[in-house]
Amino acid sequence: AQKITQTQPGMFVQEKEAVTLDCTYDTSDPSYGLFWYKQPSSGEMIFLIYQGSYDQQNATEGRYSLNFQKARKSANLVISASQLGDSAMYFCAMEAGGYNKLIFGAGTRLAVHP
Amino acid sequence: DTGVSQNPRHKITKRGQNVTFRCDPISEHNRLYWYRQTLGQGPEFLTYFQNEAQLEKSRLLSDRFSAERPKGSFSTLEIQRTEQGDSAMYLCASSVRLAGVGDTQYFGPGTRLTVL
Repeated sequence: AQKITQTQPGMFVQEKEAVTLDCTYDTSDPSYGLFWYKQPSSGEMIFLIYQGSYDQQNATEGRYSLNFQKARKSANLVISASQLGDSAMYFCAMEAGGYNKLIFGAGTRLAVHP
Repeated sequence: DTGVSQNPRHKITKRGQNVTFRCDPISEHNRLYWYRQTLGQGPEFLTYFQNEAQLEKSRLLSDRFSAERPKGSFSTLEIQRTEQGDSAMYLCASSVRLAGVGDTQYFGPGTRLTVL
C-alpha cells in the first residue's frame, strides 16, 4: 500500500534558524514523485518543491531543499533562514497510480518564533 | 497567469439539502482533481478528470456525489442530500504534465462546507 508518514504533529523554530520537517513514504512503484505543500491558515495549498524518484540530486527551491534518501524512503523538507511567514501546516505528498493522484501525510504544524 | 479559483469559498447548508461547488482550473491545464480535507487531516483524493473525461473516482465518492467537467474547462462537484459528515474543505487542483518536472498540482483556495 502507498502511504506517507509525517511523525511530527508540531514543530517550532526561532526566526532565521533552519528547520527540518520529516517525511517517510512507502510504495512498491519504482517511479514516483514526492511533493511538499504549505497550507497557511487561509486554507490554500501552496506548492513548494518536487522530487522525482529518478532524480540524482536533491531538489532545491530558494530557501527550501528536499533531503531525499531513497534507501531510507525519506524525503525531509529543510527550510533555511526561517521567517515568521513560514508559520503554517506543511504536507508531504506522493503521486501514486497512473493518474498521479496525490496521497498526503497528516501534516506538520510549524511555528516560527521571533 | 491566474491560479485555480473556486466558488463559493464558504457554504453553510442544512442537512438534506443539495450543494454545488465550482472550480476553474489554470487555463492550459488539462488535468483536474478534487480532494476533501477534514479538520486536522491531509487532503484525500476524490476524483480526477483529464479534459472532459472522468477517469478515476475514489471509494470516498458515494453515490450522493457527482462531478462533471463539461468541455474540459471548469468543473462542478455536487453533493445531494448532504449529511453532517460531509462538512469539510473541498479542494480543487489542476495540472499539466511537463517533461522533467513531473505533474505538479496547483490548488485553489478551497470551498469550506458546513452542514448543520
